[in-house]
Amino acid sequence: DAGITQSPRHKVTETGTPVTLRCHQTENHRYMYWYRQDPGHGLRLIHYSYGVKDTDKGEVSDGYSVSRSKTEDFLLTLESATSSQTSVYFCAIRGLYGYTFGSGTRLTVV
Amino acid sequence: GIQVEQSPPDLILQEGANSTLRCNFSDSVNNLQWFHQNPWGQLINLFYIPSGTKQNGRLSATTVATERYSLLYISSSQTTDSGVYFCAVPYQGGSEKLVFGKGTKLTVNP
Repeated sequence: DAGITQSPRHKVTETGTPVTLRCHQTENHRYMYWYRQDPGHGLRLIHYSYGVKDTDKGEVSDGYSVSRSKTEDFLLTLESATSSQTSVYFCAIRGLYGYTFGSGTRLTVV
Repeated sequence: GIQVEQSPPDLILQEGANSTLRCNFSDSVNNLQWFHQNPWGQLINLFYIPSGTKQNGRLSATTVATERYSLLYISSSQTTDSGVYFCAVPYQGGSEKLVFGKGTKLTVNP
């Protein structure tokens, strides 16, 4: 996966609980992204980061927060999970020749 | 923001056939990427192609930026080519955020 890993790979959580997904890269890239993928909607950007402590919102950021305290780690937090946040979450890094995606996290909110 | 449309939405081929997938975009772009999502969900970067033509084995891509489209050619298709093909372009101008098309689902039958 070109030095990008996501954890956990699968998670089931209850409505109302906080959830944190982790993205880790080993290639020292500046830009990192969180996308969600849903049937009928394709891939949509949640948040992205352009450096340590530098983040910005994407098109579907409500209900999500992110943090990047180190170059290698980009965390996505669902502050109070809802069923509408059941999805597959992908992290990506931007390298010299485009994006590389992690393997995804399948999150189910029950 | 920019709009991205892919066609056809679905394509079924017999092994050995050739195919062309199309990506239209509504505004000028300085880069374009093609991805393949395999049946296991992994997103693979196929091409980073802001303009011109690139080839990688049986796959090739051409972007005509002035006419706002890109084509992905698959020759001598194999069952392992099955999956969904996405194109993605910057959200606007020189943005580091990518917008994805809805994808073309390709099924290659043996």
